[in-house]
Amino acid sequence: KAGVTQTPRYLIKTRGQQVTLSCSPISGHRSVSWYQQTPGQGLQFLFEYFSETQRNKGNFPGRFSGRQFSNSRSEMNVSTLELGDSALYLCASSPRASGNEQFFGPGTRLTVL
Amino acid sequence: SQQGEEDPQALSIQEGENATMNCSYKTSINNLQWYRQNSGRGLVHLILIRSNEREKHSGRLRVTLDTSKKSSSLLITASRAADTASYFCATEYQKLVFGQGTRLTINP
Repeated sequence: KAGVTQTPRYLIKTRGQQVTLSCSPISGHRSVSWYQQTPGQGLQFLFEYFSETQRNKGNFPGRFSGRQFSNSRSEMNVSTLELGDSALYLCASSPRASGNEQFFGPGTRLTVL
Repeated sequence: SQQGEEDPQALSIQEGENATMNCSYKTSINNLQWYRQNSGRGLVHLILIRSNEREKHSGRLRVTLDTSKKSSSLLITASRAADTASYFCATEYQKLVFGQGTRLTINP
């Protein structure tokens, strides 16, 4: 099976812009979770989607949003970008809800200038 | 905020030696997982230990869990240069919460 894919792999934006990141889970996986990784804060949970419904949400402002489509593909959107949003955004999929092993994609490296 | 705290933050050993990393957490968990990350890439799942388990093995990996002390350890035996990576513990209770990680360097 193909692994989790994320697009784009690298992205440069300026403050105030918005960005959409995409994640395609492993075939058959219904759960998709998103994480933000920065040197200062480490790996932080953003949200999880399961069967098109947001199941859980981390402590991020409303500028961070996501959705999941019927084919389990997921997107996350960040509006009004700030310098502090520069990070590696990781997507992970799992066959069931997030209590089990998660399979991570390579990440999208977002740089906000 | 991070649930897990890992110790040490960095570890450098010679190839062939054993490496031990520790993880402490604060609240109840369903399970605890260990992941490896190579240099800014995606994470790879290593092992999952449930809250009612005390020890688990997978190849050269041995994980212990002490729920009374809210701590876990990951032992990598007979280390190899390819084990050089960051290792993260993650506690699961409705969602995964990661520790800050241990940066492991294996010197040839």
